[in-house]
Amino acid sequence: DIQMTQSPSTLSASVGDRVTITCRASQSISGWLAWFQQKPGKAPKLLIYKASSLEGAVPSRFSGSGSGTEFTLTISSLQPDDFATYYCQQYNSYPRTFGQGTKVEIK
Amino acid sequence: QIQLVQSGVEVTKPGASVKVSCKASGDTLTPYGVSWVRQAPGQGLEWMGSISTYNGNTNYGQKFHGRVTMTTDASTSTVYMELRSLTSGDTAVYYCARDGPVVYGRAPAGDYWGQGTLVVVSS
Repeated sequence: DIQMTQSPSTLSASVGDRVTITCRASQSISGWLAWFQQKPGKAPKLLIYKASSLEGAVPSRFSGSGSGTEFTLTISSLQPDDFATYYCQQYNSYPRTFGQGTKVEIK
Repeated sequence: QIQLVQSGVEVTKPGASVKVSCKASGDTLTPYGVSWVRQAPGQGLEWMGSISTYNGNTNYGQKFHGRVTMTTDASTSTVYMELRSLTSGDTAVYYCARDGPVVYGRAPAGDYWGQGTLVVVSS
């Protein structure tokens, strides 16, 4: 199975900060990576697919980059609605696997 | 716009089975795949497996092999996940998610999610 490792596990930031979350795969997944946002008690929400494609009505302050084994999710200017937990997921092969999550907290 | 509506809370005993449904409204699930993802209390997301609503093909996580069965009913646009031989470690919220968007035949799990079904296993 492909292991996905996110860093950091927790991130404290202020509104307006630029935030970067990293996701590393244990082997190459090409660009088959998605990012999700999850708020307490809610289902995850797809933000980015194929490493850098923005889903639907997701705000443009979210961006993704990377290929192979290293990927990043960047929030250019953190907004109050962005405090949540973020997960990466590889879909290069089965089983699909998620990172352990990164909680973005208010500083 | 598609909505996925899951069945309600399940409280069951160790050793029993549970069957959770995921019904699409607003659009059909065919020909998309549907994944099941679970989340234990305070924990992260765990992919369990997926089923193609086009041909019924399944992919299960090794951890769940032999204990899980995913099925699809195209006539009602409903997907089911049955988990057997339950233990307290299976207590979690179970989500269905449509595999999408599809790019070159691959899709993440998923672009649309159900609301989640809480399954509690307790003696």
